Amino acid sequence: SAVISQKPSRDICQRGTSLTIQCQVDSQVTMMFWYRQQPGQSLTLIATANQGSEATYESGFVIDKFPISRPNLTFSTLTVSNMSPEDSSIYLCSVGEGQGNSGNTIYFGEGSWLTVV
Amino acid sequence: AQSVAQPEDQVNVAEGNPLTVKCTYSVSGNPYLFWYVQYPNRGLQFLLKYITGDNLVKGSYGFEAEFNKSQTSFHLKKPSALVSDSALYFCAVRDRTGGGNKLTFGTGTQLKVEL
Repeated sequence: SAVISQKPSRDICQRGTSLTIQCQVDSQVTMMFWYRQQPGQSLTLIATANQGSEATYESGFVIDKFPISRPNLTFSTLTVSNMSPEDSSIYLCSVGEGQGNSGNTIYFGEGSWLTVV
Repeated sequence: AQSVAQPEDQVNVAEGNPLTVKCTYSVSGNPYLFWYVQYPNRGLQFLLKYITGDNLVKGSYGFEAEFNKSQTSFHLKKPSALVSDSALYFCAVRDRTGGGNKLTFGTGTQLKVEL
C-alpha cells in the first residue's frame, strides 16, 4: 500500500486563524480524500480531492471553510479556515488503490491532530 | 443511502479468549465492507475487506470477518485475543452501485483485552 505522510502531525491553533495540512503520497494515486474525526466520534468524509479541478465536497462542508488543492497525483492540501474550537479534530488524508469503484481499499495517513484555543 | 451500525461502544475480553466485534450495514445495492483499527494517537489501519466470493475473509494480525447477507452483518472475529489488540475498531461500507468511492463508517467499538 501507498505510504501517506501528513504535516503537521499536531498543532495548537488560535481562534480565527487558518491552517494548511499537507498530504504527500509516495506513489501516484487517482483517488485522494480528506476525512475529519471529531473527538470521540467516527470519521466523516469532507471532500474528494480531484487532480487539476475543484474538490467535490460532501453535504455540510464548503470550499470557503475547507479549501483543498490537488496539483498532482501525489500531493494535496486541506486548509481549515477561520478556525473555531469546534474545528478541533483529527484531519485524515486518505488514498484509494486502483481506479474506479471496484472494491478498492482506502488507506489513511496518521492524521493531523488540531486543537483550536 | 448507506449506513453502518456498531451496536457496542465497548467490548471487554480476557486475553486468550475469542473476540467478536459486531457490525451491521445498510445499502441499497450490494456492499463492499471494511474493517479498520485505530490505536491510540494513530491513524486508521486497514484490517480486511469483503468484496465478493468467500463469506469468511481473513485479514491482518489474525483477524477475520464473516459476511452474512441475510443478516446484513460483517462481524469481526479473532480466535484468541491479545492485550495488544486493545484499540478502537471501525466498520465501514461502500455501496457497489451508486456509492462512488465514499466510505461510510460506524461509530467505532473500543476493544479492551485484559490479562
